[in-house]
Amino acid sequence: SQQGEEDPQALSIQEGENATMNCSYKTSINNLQWYRQNSGRGLVHLILIRSNEREKHSGRLRVTLDTSKKSSSLLITASRAADTASYFCATDAATDSWGKLQFGAGTQVVVTP
Amino acid sequence: DTAVSQTPKYLVTQMGNDKSIKCEQNLGHDTMYWYKQDSKKFLKIMFSYNNKELIINETVPNRFSPKSPDKAHLNLHINSLELGDSAVYFCASSPNRGTDTQYFGPGTRLTVL
Repeated sequence: SQQGEEDPQALSIQEGENATMNCSYKTSINNLQWYRQNSGRGLVHLILIRSNEREKHSGRLRVTLDTSKKSSSLLITASRAADTASYFCATDAATDSWGKLQFGAGTQVVVTP
Repeated sequence: DTAVSQTPKYLVTQMGNDKSIKCEQNLGHDTMYWYKQDSKKFLKIMFSYNNKELIINETVPNRFSPKSPDKAHLNLHINSLELGDSAVYFCASSPNRGTDTQYFGPGTRLTVL
């Protein structure tokens, strides 16, 4: 089964609203990453949070990590139509130093004008 | 100036054929990956090479054979294609074999008829 699982599977919001999605994982990790995939395109890295960090910001993105609950959240503030995409969390296993990321199935976000 | 490029973008072929997908990165990275994304958007790692050396080899049918002629290139050859091989294949690279940010190519959509 996938290491990371996103919730919800799909999210529909209006421009200007905030979008929050969650990721749960099973094993201890070194870091957790969030990626965005626009329709028909490759994945684009958004943000990386290490296991000893609790919160990280990048522009309109805010990521939290709770290693005790094995969960992370991605918040997109003041969403725009261009934020319409699928968002994936990716985790590694703390015992794995080979760069093997495990992805969830993603949250599909639709932002309507 | 494309960082990670893949060819072809689309590949339509008959069952039983052999095909190759090429990947090149101009980022100077040491590590490259092949991922398969199925119709439900699950992204699963297949292979990884670090400086032309195979370091990750997931449970993939041996009809799939990666080849890395140099650290900037990682090609994927598939023999005896089957219907279940239909998917989008992504190449990615990262600076080294640790769990760093990965940079993805645009994907190759393979359709097996």
